[in-house]
Amino acid sequence: GQSLEQPSEVTAVEGAIVQINCTYQTSGFYGLSWYQQHDGGAPTFLSYNALDGLEETGRFSSFLSRSDSYGYLLLQELQMKDSASYFCAVRDWGSYKLIFGSGTRLLVRP
Amino acid sequence: DAGVIQSPRHEVTEMGQEVTLRCKPISGHDYLFWYRQTMMRGLELLIYFNNNVPIDDSGMPEDRFSAKMPNASFSTLKIQPSEPRDSAVYFCASSSTGQGAEGANVLTFGAGSRLTVL
Repeated sequence: GQSLEQPSEVTAVEGAIVQINCTYQTSGFYGLSWYQQHDGGAPTFLSYNALDGLEETGRFSSFLSRSDSYGYLLLQELQMKDSASYFCAVRDWGSYKLIFGSGTRLLVRP
Repeated sequence: DAGVIQSPRHEVTEMGQEVTLRCKPISGHDYLFWYRQTMMRGLELLIYFNNNVPIDDSGMPEDRFSAKMPNASFSTLKIQPSEPRDSAVYFCASSSTGQGAEGANVLTFGAGSRLTVL
């Protein structure tokens, strides 16, 4: 089976940088995805890492280390609108089921 | 494309009533997923379809839940009879494997159906 662990809450100041970590246990690995969900909204896809290293998309970057079963999402130049929940996710081995972590609630303060 | 369309957005019903949630996936997407989200259990996958065929329904809580996908552009999730513990936000999502491995990890979610069972 698959399991993911991420912190439940993170608080940061507007303009700062924040890192949200995710560790996973899988019987096989297809890659690590990240989703953002604002209160009352739907999850939206942010990034996907299949190989080790850093993927950058604007202010957001995602990192993966397969040897450590670890990844993180890095948000730079934080804005108030970044306050949301962030989920890491992995595909179940041998299927197309996407399993989500419990989510990290990010609060950006002025 | 209008994205994944779900209806109704909100449903309030009484225990014992039948509830039907509807979903129209993105045209051309070959996978459709039904998720349920609650504070206690997070985002749980209930069932998913590939080319209209149910592939894995191991997440369906019990026989009161059923899902169908009669064609590529429509799916339903039915709860009969409904119970208060079914209160949750139900999301439909679709994806396309036409983009390779990454495509299978990129789900587009609908806005969700918030169900309250009294």
